[in-house]
Amino acid sequence: GAGVSQSPSNKVTEKGKDVELRCDPISGHTALYWYRQSLGQGLEFLIYFQGNSAPDKSGLPSDRFSAERTGGSVSTLTIQRTQQEDSAVYLCASSYTGEAFFGQGTRLTVV
Amino acid sequence: DQQVKQNSPSLSVQEGRISILNCDYTNSMFDYFLWYKKYPAEGPTFLISISSIKDKNEDGRFTVFLNKSAKHLSLHIVPSQPGDSAVYFCAASERRPADKLIFGTGTRLQVFP
Repeated sequence: GAGVSQSPSNKVTEKGKDVELRCDPISGHTALYWYRQSLGQGLEFLIYFQGNSAPDKSGLPSDRFSAERTGGSVSTLTIQRTQQEDSAVYLCASSYTGEAFFGQGTRLTVV
Repeated sequence: DQQVKQNSPSLSVQEGRISILNCDYTNSMFDYFLWYKKYPAEGPTFLISISSIKDKNEDGRFTVFLNKSAKHLSLHIVPSQPGDSAVYFCAASERRPADKLIFGTGTRLQVFP
């Protein structure tokens, strides 16, 4: 596709369960970002992949959060033992020259 | 530590008038700045950018101004239209290409007829 694709678009999970969120970036984009937006808040940086460099994980809020990017393309954000405060919209973006292009996001609700 | 700040959570402007959205930053290493617009239930969309070697960049109705000494940038929208009603985020990075983007908290713009 032409844009960044995220799946699922919505996810409801029970507290304590693990979830995986997927991001398909724009083909050829070397940089991939994950952000989250909690209700009424700004865009919180989570993790950043750039080419073959080690990812910048400085924004991950706890060790329950992890992400990987396979083959320099698709990325998966995993949240283990979900908590209610993890409820948010998780946004993925990709970039090549600086302007990041965002997907529609995954709305995660932990009940 | 909020490196990028948008101190006005909301702004209301009449259609046809100028909208001015402001952003301040604290990290002197930032040298690339962007503005994004976000509608509800959609991902942010890129509007306009500026590098630190410039103090102004214009694209149609949108102009971004950068004041490096004050660590301040602003987005001007002229003339404002009802379709411009959205949340606007400024973002900054330390280098191009494609470095980590740090976003502000956003300003909700409402353009009324």
